This record gives sequence, structure tokens and C-alpha cells, in this order.
Amino acid sequence: SYELTQPPSMSVSPGQTASITCSGDKLGDKYAYWYQQKPGQSPVLVIYQDNQRPSGIPERFSGSNSGNTATLTISGTQAMDEADYYCQPWDSNSYVFGTGTKVTVL
Amino acid sequence: QVQLQESGPGLVKPSGTLSLTCAVSGGSISSSNWWSWVRQPPGKGLEWIGEIYHSGSTNYNPSLKSRVTISVDKSKNQFSLKLSSVTAADTAVYYCARVSSVVPAARGWFDPWGQGTLVTVSS
Repeated sequence: SYELTQPPSMSVSPGQTASITCSGDKLGDKYAYWYQQKPGQSPVLVIYQDNQRPSGIPERFSGSNSGNTATLTISGTQAMDEADYYCQPWDSNSYVFGTGTKVTVL
Repeated sequence: QVQLQESGPGLVKPSGTLSLTCAVSGGSISSSNWWSWVRQPPGKGLEWIGEIYHSGSTNYNPSLKSRVTISVDKSKNQFSLKLSSVTAADTAVYYCARVSSVVPAARGWFDPWGQGTLVTVSS
């Protein structure tokens, strides 16, 4: 089965940039999607097709995907961005989620 | 705006069958989208369970395939999940979600999601 790896956690100061990576074999050959999940809430899509932002998602969220790594970048991180983030590609009739990254803003 | 709502028993006995339904409102389940189930054990990550198209075509996570059945009821605009032979490891929040994509009927991302429902497997 296809495996994706994310760093378990990261800390970022308010106003700084957070870069969350997602690694998988030839991930750059697939589209990557990113979700934000706050405690007790359902996941919310923040990036689709590698680098597209859904309506209502702030411009500080951006994405890239190349080689074996997809990256979600949060520029000018705000306290409200504290959450778990998951990557997700689609591969061979199956969806796979990354292991998740807990972003702490402090 | 499409909204999804899960419903079903919150407690299932070990070796029993977990049954959940996802009601779709604000749109038709017969649209050009796949419809999925995703679960999340307490304190853990997300796991895709399976998906269905309004035609009845299904795809399942290979790790759960032997125990999962997903069905659709177009007359009620809903789809359902059955997971058999459950154990404590199946305790999780279960979400239903629409699969969205740029190309109709293609695979892509999950949006929107239901609010989720906690199912506990315990005697």
C-alpha cells in the first residue's frame, strides 16, 4: 500500500512561515490535497490539486508538489491556524492520508 | 450548498455489525460525484474506508474490503456503510464526505464532510 510520511509536530511563532511536508514515492506524479482539522471538528480542505485554494481559504495558505514531496506553506501564521494538517493523494483506486502534522502557534 | 449528516448507533458490540447512514441535502446523490466514508480513531489519523457512485459502483480500502459494504439509496438521497465483525480497533469517529474533482465523476478531494459520528465498540 502507498505510504505517506509527515512530521508529527511543529511549532511556529505568530507571523512566521510554517512549511509542512508530505513525503511519498513519486508523490509529485499525483495531485496532493491538504486538510486542516481543529479539535472536535471535521477536516476542512485548504489546498486542492497541489496549489489551488478553495474559496474562503486565506491567501496565506499555499501548496507545491514535486518529486517525492508535497509541501503546505502557511505564510504569516496566525493563532487560528493551530490545528492538525493532513495530506492526501489519490492512487490506484484508493485514497491515502498522510500521518498528520500538529501545528502549534506560540 | 451540499451538506452531509451521519446517523446511526453510537455503540456496537464486539463481533457485531456497524451500520451508518449519510443523508445528503442541498444536492443530489445522483450528481457526478463519488461519495466516501472516512474514519478517525480517537487521537489518531484519518483512514479512508470506501466510496460509492450513484450507479452502485464501489471501491474499498483493501485493508477493510472483506468487512465493508457501502450502498446507495437514491430515493432517499443517502448512502450507507456496514462494517462487520467489529472489534475495539474499529472504535472511531466516522465521517461521510463527497469526493469532488475538476472532471465530473473523477477522483479528487473530500469536500464537504459531515460532522462525524463517534461509534464505540464495546460490550
